[in-house]
Amino acid sequence: GDSVTQMEGPVTLSEEAFLTINCTYTATGYPSLFWYVQYPGEGLQLLLKATKADDKGSNKGFEATYRKETTSFHLEKGSVQVSDSAVYFCALSGGGQYVNDYKLSFGAGTTVTVRA
Amino acid sequence: SAVISQKPSRDICQRGTSLTIQCQVDSQVTMMFWYRQQPGQSLTLIATANQGSEATYESGFVIDKFPISRPNLTFSTLTVSNMSPEDSSIYLCSVEKGTGSYEQYFGPGTRLTVT
Repeated sequence: GDSVTQMEGPVTLSEEAFLTINCTYTATGYPSLFWYVQYPGEGLQLLLKATKADDKGSNKGFEATYRKETTSFHLEKGSVQVSDSAVYFCALSGGGQYVNDYKLSFGAGTTVTVRA
Repeated sequence: SAVISQKPSRDICQRGTSLTIQCQVDSQVTMMFWYRQQPGQSLTLIATANQGSEATYESGFVIDKFPISRPNLTFSTLTVSNMSPEDSSIYLCSVEKGTGSYEQYFGPGTRLTVT
């Protein structure tokens, strides 16, 4: 079945450092890929997405490119802030045998702590 | 975007009892999902709940333990039955955006502790 493998962390960085969280996937079809973020004490929210190969999703300074050849969707941010401290989840949907397979498969989550 | 609320936001329950969690959406949606997030873990899909049909459960989850109702296009309930401490988790409902985008919006979650 579909699955997502994600760098687990935890990751601790200083402000203005470069952040990369690796994510690779396995799917039989052509999934849509997502990064969700869970800030402390808050619910899960969509950070960015990409729906086809070579698409780049971006939001709040974060970027991720859908790489079909390497089945990857790595999350990057050039200069992190304390407010970026959160748990980040890579996820995919729609990659199964059936195009109407809407359920999300999540990676393990990566806890990121940014120190001032 | 859809606004999703869940009740209760948290609860502490005795083992052997049951808890029903409500999920309300501010717009009509076809697909709703229920996830479990065990402490320090990722999200695992429990079941997909479409209005007008029986819920579809994922491997490892059964209807007797997690009965689900979906009476209309804006509401669903998940019951955690005969609870044990291993059921202590955050339970989240989500809805598909509805444009075939595969994007989901999540509720704030219900934090359940079983003692």
